[in-house]
Amino acid sequence: ILNVEQSPQSLHVQEGDSTNFTCSFPSSNFYALHWYRWETAKSPEALFVMTLNGDEKKKGRISATLNTKEGYSYLYIKGSQPEDSATYLCAFMGGTGGFKTIFGAGTRLFVKA
Amino acid sequence: GAGVSQTPSNKVTEKGKYVELRCDPISGHTALYWYRQSLGQGPEFLIYFQGTGAADDSGLPNDRFFAVRPEGSVSTLKIQRTERGDSAVYLCASSFGKNTEAFFGQGTRLTVV
Repeated sequence: ILNVEQSPQSLHVQEGDSTNFTCSFPSSNFYALHWYRWETAKSPEALFVMTLNGDEKKKGRISATLNTKEGYSYLYIKGSQPEDSATYLCAFMGGTGGFKTIFGAGTRLFVKA
Repeated sequence: GAGVSQTPSNKVTEKGKYVELRCDPISGHTALYWYRQSLGQGPEFLIYFQGTGAADDSGLPNDRFFAVRPEGSVSTLKIQRTERGDSAVYLCASSFGKNTEAFFGQGTRLTVV
């Protein structure tokens, strides 16, 4: 069974705080790791697609790292703003016999002004 | 169109009925995914199309679920003999390929009464 876990489940921070969360995924049969930002009542929005061990990607104040050998990815938000409040989902693509995408349950971020 | 379009946005049906959910992907996207999302959980993979063919349908829960993409563009998810447990938001996403970012539709909320 392919399992993708995200921690913490939820996070409350103050505006200006920097924060990070973790996505753990199978370390074998890896193809890609996706991060999405999902605001309530909207569709998930792609943040990063990461494919290579050691990948680091950055978009504005948000960055992510990837370790495929040990099966984890970190998402960092520098100087959180209230508009960063959302659920951050990671999705593992890989496995044997196909290219299914397995999503984690997400980390719900609340940024208080 | 500019984005992934899913219709209908809401569907209420009686237990035992047949339903079809439609996904119109972004033009030129060869990969198309269907997911199901239950309250409080991340999206659950159902099926992945590459072009017209189902590259991975291992996420379909049982033989009441079937999906087609006859011309490699629009896809239809078909559910026969619906059950109350099928109630969920059904999300569709499309991308240029497996390791490129996927764009999601707004989803179809299916309620089986």
